Amino acid sequence: GESVGLHLPTLSVQEGDNSIINCAYSNSASDYFIWYKQESGKGPQFIIDIRSNMDKRQGQRVTVLLNKTVKHLSLQIAATQPGDSAVYFCAESGGTSYGKLTFGQGTILTVHP
Amino acid sequence: GAGVSQSPSNKVTEKGKDVELRCDPISGHTALYWYRQSLGQGLEFLIYFQGNSAPDKSGLPSDRFSAERTGGSVSTLTIQRTQQEDSAVYLCASSLVGDRGSIQYFGAGTRLSVL
Repeated sequence: GESVGLHLPTLSVQEGDNSIINCAYSNSASDYFIWYKQESGKGPQFIIDIRSNMDKRQGQRVTVLLNKTVKHLSLQIAATQPGDSAVYFCAESGGTSYGKLTFGQGTILTVHP
Repeated sequence: GAGVSQSPSNKVTEKGKDVELRCDPISGHTALYWYRQSLGQGLEFLIYFQGNSAPDKSGLPSDRFSAERTGGSVSTLTIQRTQQEDSAVYLCASSLVGDRGSIQYFGAGTRLSVL
């Protein structure tokens, strides 16, 4: 069945380092991908999204890379700050699923001052 | 409103009781989603509403779960005869339209604890 998974459940970095969070997906019909950040006790917060007709998209301090050949998605955070500490989820939709999102398990990012 | 609003923020109930969870979507958003998040897990889709179309209930785990959306705005998720495995955070999201690429904005969720 459809699934979206993460390679690393936890990531620990020093403030100022760049962070890379990875995600694999299995549904070849997926054509829309999105990253969310979730802080403790809060709902997921939109970070960045990308459609399958692109392989890279940049935002403020964040970049999403999409490799459709190997069904892999990554989120890069530049100059990571303590405020970036949170759980990061990738999600996808595609085929006949309209906007319904399938989420991965999440990666815990911890940024040390 | 400024964002998706959910109430209550926390709900503690006894096994076998019914509960109602409320979601107020962002004004003007036509699509509304309910997800469930168990401890340390990703989000699991439950149900989706788009305008006046019949809702997609394919994610509801059992017939004890139901949801309504009145007037194309506020939605209520009802869980009947609650079980301990229903304990989770129930998240509501809304988007401008119900299509891929229309960003889903989430509320803070309702944390349900079934004793």
